[in-house]
Amino acid sequence: EVQVVESGGGLVQPGRSLRLSCTTSGFTFRDYAMSWVRQAPGKGLEWVGFIKSKTYGGTGEYAASVRGRFTISRDDSKSIAYLHMDSLKTEDTAIYYCAREGQQWQFDYWGQGTLVTV
Amino acid sequence: SYVLTQPPSLSVAPGRTARISCGGDNIGRKSVHWYQQKPGQAPVLVIYYNSDRPSGIPERFSGSNSGNTATLTISRVEAGDEADYYCHVWDSSSDHRVFGGGTKLTVL
Repeated sequence: EVQVVESGGGLVQPGRSLRLSCTTSGFTFRDYAMSWVRQAPGKGLEWVGFIKSKTYGGTGEYAASVRGRFTISRDDSKSIAYLHMDSLKTEDTAIYYCAREGQQWQFDYWGQGTLVTV
Repeated sequence: SYVLTQPPSLSVAPGRTARISCGGDNIGRKSVHWYQQKPGQAPVLVIYYNSDRPSGIPERFSGSNSGNTATLTISRVEAGDEADYYCHVWDSSSDHRVFGGGTKLTVL
C-alpha cells in the first residue's frame, strides 16, 4: 500500500526557515518525481514545486511565488522528499501537501498535509 | 504562464448530471487530470489522462478534452459528490504544473 506522510509544519516567524518532510512507503521512491502543493486557508490548490527522479537528473522546478526561497530535495535511501523554506512570508501560510507524480504527471497519491503558519 | 479557468460554483440536483469545465489555450493538446477535495481532506485523483479512472473511482465519473475546454462529468449525482473539484495540467513549455481555480459542487 502506497503511503505518503508529511511532517514538520508549525508556527514560524516571518523571515525564518522551516523544513518539511515527506516520508513515503509502498513503492520504489527513486523511480518517481515528487511534488509539493499548498492550500492557503479557504483558497484553492497551488503547485509549489517538484523534483525529478535521479534518472531524469534529480532537478526541480518551482512556482514563481517561491522560486529562490524554497528548495526541494530528496533522499532516495530513506524514501523521503524535503521542502526547505527560507525567508518565509505571511502569505506562505497554508497546508502543504506532498504528492507522487504518475507517468502522465498526475498526482496519484497525496499525503494528509501539514499546516505551516507564518 | 499557462492559465486554467473553472467556474467557481455549480449546483445540481441529486440524480442529475454535473458537468464541470476547465478552460485553457489549446488544452485539448494536453493531458488533463481532475481531483476531488472534500472539506478537511486531501485531494483525491478522480480522472487522469483526460478520461482514465483510477481504481476505486465510480464509473459515474468521466472526462473529456477537446479544443479549449476539458470537462469532468459526474452522472447520477449523489450527496456524497459534494466537494471542490480541480483540474490540473503539465505545462510543457515551463515544466510547471498548473491547477485551475477549483469548482465548488453543491448537491441540492
